[in-house]
Amino acid sequence: DAGITQSPRHKVTETGTPVTLRCHQTENHRYMYWYRQDPGHGLRLIHYSYGVKDTDKGEVSDGYSVSRSKTEDFLLTLESATSSQTSVYFCAISESARPGANVLTFGAGSRLTVL
Amino acid sequence: GQQVMQIPQYQHVQEGEDFTTYCNSSTTLSNIQWYKQRPGGHPVFLIQLVKSGEVKKQKRLTFQFGEAKKNSSLHITATQTTDVGTYFCAGPGGDRGSTLGRLYFGRGTQLTVWP
Repeated sequence: DAGITQSPRHKVTETGTPVTLRCHQTENHRYMYWYRQDPGHGLRLIHYSYGVKDTDKGEVSDGYSVSRSKTEDFLLTLESATSSQTSVYFCAISESARPGANVLTFGAGSRLTVL
Repeated sequence: GQQVMQIPQYQHVQEGEDFTTYCNSSTTLSNIQWYKQRPGGHPVFLIQLVKSGEVKKQKRLTFQFGEAKKNSSLHITATQTTDVGTYFCAGPGGDRGSTLGRLYFGRGTQLTVWP
C-alpha cells in the first residue's frame, strides 16, 4: 500500500550473519509492527512500537530486536540469523490502539532466506 | 501462544457454494478485525466489529461478533473465484494502554474455490 515500504524485499543470507529489515512509513502513524508469516502459523507478532523509542515484545520476539529512532522508520534486526528465521516478514502500521483507529495497513513483505 | 483461534485451516469449495470461517478467543475482545490475503500478497483489512452481537455485511460477505465478544465469524455466500485467499481474524492482545496495540492474528483459513 502507498505510504509504507519495506526493504529489502528479498534477501538470502547465511546462518550467523546479522540482518536488518527496514520499514518506512509516510503516514505519521504512531503504531508500527513487525510480523512473521510461516505456513501453518499465520501471522505472528514479533515486536511492535507505540511511539518513538517505545517498543514492546510480541509473541515470538526471541532472536529479534527492534529500534525506532523516528516516527517513520521501524527497524527489525536479527543479530545472528538462524535457519528457523527463514520467513516472510511483514511490517504494518496503525494510527492508534483505539478501536476504529487500530486497523493495520501492511507493507508488501520481505522474504528472508537463511541458508 | 495464539490469543485467537481460527477454524478451519483449509476450506475447498466449488464456485457457488457458501463458506464460513470461525474465530474464538478465551478472553473478551474489545474489537475484532478481519483481513484477506490473496496468494502472494499482503493482508488487506476488510472490516472491524466493535459491538456485542454486531452484524455487518459487505456484498456477499457477512461478519458477526458474538454476544459475549469472544467469537466471530465470516460467511461468504455463493463463492466466486475472486474470493480465493486466506482470511484472518485479529484481536487485541491486551486491554489497556499500549497493550491494546498488540494485535494477534488467528492462523487463518485458506479458501480454495473450484470453478
